[in-house]
Amino acid sequence: EAGVAQSPRYKIIEKRQSVAFWCNPISGHATLYWYQQILGQGPKLLIQFQNNGVVDDSQLPKDRFSAERLKGVDSTLKIQPAKLEDSAVYLCASTLGTASWDNEQFFGPGTRLTVL
Amino acid sequence: AQSVSQHNHHVILSEAASLELGCNYSYGGTVNLFWYVQYPGQHLQLLLKYFSGDPLVKGIKGFEAEFIKSKFSFNLRKPSVQWSDTAEYFCAVNADSNYQLIWGAGTKLFIKP
Repeated sequence: EAGVAQSPRYKIIEKRQSVAFWCNPISGHATLYWYQQILGQGPKLLIQFQNNGVVDDSQLPKDRFSAERLKGVDSTLKIQPAKLEDSAVYLCASTLGTASWDNEQFFGPGTRLTVL
Repeated sequence: AQSVSQHNHHVILSEAASLELGCNYSYGGTVNLFWYVQYPGQHLQLLLKYFSGDPLVKGIKGFEAEFIKSKFSFNLRKPSVQWSDTAEYFCAVNADSNYQLIWGAGTKLFIKP
């Protein structure tokens, strides 16, 4: 079974530039999560999708971050414009079932973003 | 606000030593508890979880964790570590069965061969 795929693995941009990350969850997984992990901290949930609908985006900085999962499969996360404090690893995870705490989350390798 | 504390950011042990990594959470209601692990160069993966029942939970690779409700703790243990246990370990808590996991900052474990 293929795992959660993310690209790119690394990205370096200057502040005020835009960047987009892509995630393809495990086939058949209904729920998809985007996390931000700043160095020295645990993952922080940015947004959670169930199929193509948003379950929780309460911690997404909506003035600069956006995410979509149009067909209920893969997803993109965009930052526009980026700030220095956006430097972090962006993790994508998916679960088989509906948005529920008891489903094991399967993580991708992450995208390491550096904003200069 | 709910929070999860992992007291040790870095732990260094020799092979065959016993391991205990601390995890405390701040929430008085019903909690569901998880330990995830990230081996060097690999993805985060589930190590073990507690939902209800026996507070001593056994996970993969010989790890176990004990839920002590009175202490708001869910410490991870292993009687005898191996070099291959070198990894970063994260504790995560879900409160009242809502959608979110709240994560600790992680503990980096290094096992000296």
